Amino acid sequence: EAQVTQNPRYLITVTGKKLTVTCSQNMNHEYMSWYRQDPGLGLRQIYYSMNVEVTDKGDVPEGYKVSRKEKRNFPLILESPSPNQTSLYFCASSLSGWAAVDGYTFGSGTRLTVV
Amino acid sequence: SQQGEEDPQALSIQEGENATMNCSYKTSINNLQWYRQNSGRGLVHLILIRSNEREKHSGRLRVTLDTSKKSSSLLITASRAADTASYFCATDNENETGANNLFFGTGTRLTVIP
Repeated sequence: EAQVTQNPRYLITVTGKKLTVTCSQNMNHEYMSWYRQDPGLGLRQIYYSMNVEVTDKGDVPEGYKVSRKEKRNFPLILESPSPNQTSLYFCASSLSGWAAVDGYTFGSGTRLTVV
Repeated sequence: SQQGEEDPQALSIQEGENATMNCSYKTSINNLQWYRQNSGRGLVHLILIRSNEREKHSGRLRVTLDTSKKSSSLLITASRAADTASYFCATDNENETGANNLFFGTGTRLTVIP
């Protein structure tokens, strides 16, 4: 089944403790992206990648890191999480970004709470 | 950068009625897409309409696009309780060269009452 897999689904952590949210897609998509979703603010893009070893900042990159060493994986790293990073996170992939006729495929989300 | 803004923010209708949601955006675009999100879950792509198209249908969905007004509408006909979800429009930004990003609005929360 074609899908984007995110792990974990839920995560509660303490301030300052490094964490990684994994994202993997099995559709050979070139483009991958991370979003955070907060009430009243919609989806805001954190980072995106147009291909292996090519990553770039979105609208809210502060406090986050990403890497794209393989086409299928695009992990999101929080080096020193803070409470304002408590949010619902989504990974998405697409054959070619906005131009793909099938749009973006989203993962099921990771609900992160930083205390 | 947020591109789209949906209207209304929330909509409540009876089962069987039609639901109309609107989206306005700011810049020139190549295409506009609509997505659906069930509570707390990932977004699901519904339909894409290109900037040179004015109307598109998919099952009970009808999307219109007016590039002169920078607006789009999503019509769901004969609504069902299972249509209860949030609906988002998303656009690219024709002025953003070199990136392939989609920008999402804040969504319309649709409730269909059985």
